[in-house]
Amino acid sequence: DTAVSQTPKYLVTQMGNDKSIKCEQNLGHDTMYWYKQDSKKFLKIMFSYNNKELIINETVPNRFSPKSPDKAHLNLHINSLELGDSAVYFCASSHGGDADTQYFGPGTRLTVL
Amino acid sequence: AQSVTQPDIHITVSEGASLELRCNYSYGATPYLFWYVQSPGQGLQLLLKYFSGDTLVQGIKGFEAEFKRSQSSFNLRKPSVHWSDAAEYFCAVAATGTASKLTFGTGTRLQVTL
Repeated sequence: DTAVSQTPKYLVTQMGNDKSIKCEQNLGHDTMYWYKQDSKKFLKIMFSYNNKELIINETVPNRFSPKSPDKAHLNLHINSLELGDSAVYFCASSHGGDADTQYFGPGTRLTVL
Repeated sequence: AQSVTQPDIHITVSEGASLELRCNYSYGATPYLFWYVQSPGQGLQLLLKYFSGDTLVQGIKGFEAEFKRSQSSFNLRKPSVHWSDAAEYFCAVAATGTASKLTFGTGTRLQVTL
């Protein structure tokens, strides 16, 4: 069974569209994250939720809205997609404790045309 | 705020040779330090982490890393590289008490020649 899964794996869309990426973890973790990896492989945290509450919200355009319906799911909705949004988006999860490991999903490659 | 520098963008080693990947961090206190590996088209997998205690940390796949406070470094080593180790390696740092908020370096791409 996959620990952290993301759908879709690939997403190709036009500028201006709205899209969502879904993430699910079956590890029983309390905390989930979204990261963005750009074309130069630079990885940066975007959001983190703990028990469905937003705890990290980095400087991200408000076109990006995370939603956590329950502890096992954290979805990322993006409005009015722009060319610069093209990247690989990774979901991760952890127990959220102070000495904890984050487990990453396989990533979603978003291409905005 | 903490930051991480990985000075080597790309390293090539022969299979069987030893490996050292460099990582320098900037943080006022003792940080939490991590090494992750990303194989092509895959997510990140934790190799090892340092929180406290013994400064030499053993990880999976035969990797180890040494925390050197005086040099603000956390270099990753492996005595004998296998072709399957070819991947992107990321060093990350988190401020003490906030292991949730990882700051990543820009990565080092490892190529292994046969």
